[in-house]
Amino acid sequence: NAGVTQTPKFQVLKTGQSMTLQCAQDMNHEYMSWYRQDPGMGLRLIHYSVGAGITDQGEVPNGYNVSRSTTEDFPLRLLSAAPSQTSVYFCASSLRGTATNEKLFFGSGTQLSVL
Amino acid sequence: AQTVTQSQPEMSVQEAETVTLSCTYDTSESDYYLFWYKQPPSRQMILVIRQEAYKQQNATENRFSVNFQKAAKSFSLKISDSQLGDAAMYFCAYRSDTGTASKLTFGTGTRLQVTL
Repeated sequence: NAGVTQTPKFQVLKTGQSMTLQCAQDMNHEYMSWYRQDPGMGLRLIHYSVGAGITDQGEVPNGYNVSRSTTEDFPLRLLSAAPSQTSVYFCASSLRGTATNEKLFFGSGTQLSVL
Repeated sequence: AQTVTQSQPEMSVQEAETVTLSCTYDTSESDYYLFWYKQPPSRQMILVIRQEAYKQQNATENRFSVNFQKAAKSFSLKISDSQLGDAAMYFCAYRSDTGTASKLTFGTGTRLQVTL
């Protein structure tokens, strides 16, 4: 059982380049989300999804696109990378359950540097 | 929108001693959930403890316990008998009862050092 898998683990981009951060989970989780972690700012929600075909914006969505065509995958696209998008990106997923027993599973993160 | 504040960027504790990490939050909701996550240097996010707002009893998990003060909107984490492996970033997080487990609001984190 792989859990939540993020690829790549590290990436360096030049300003203006585009790329997709991959996130896949094999636990049949309905909920998936993307966070970015910056020093002194904690984790901030970028986009989230409550099921295939359903996505919504989080706190810091500008510059990022998402889609959810399957339950397993939730890719994050940077259309034109900017230095302000240098960060560590985390994907997370959870089952739709009662709030009491829901558990959030995190991927191991992607360190992205934009030069 | 909810906000979570951790006012201690760094804390230090001696091995075997007790340390308390502070967290306050702002919300207009009556039902919600609060969490403490640990992030060691490996970057892995590890759930330490959770608290349901409707429960008056403070949550405990082995050496970890919380002091939940709903009226004061305070949610502190107490680590007893600190161990070297407790050294990490600790994040306080909030989840709305009407939200989902994937939609958390995090504080800025407290870096905990454990010394011999």
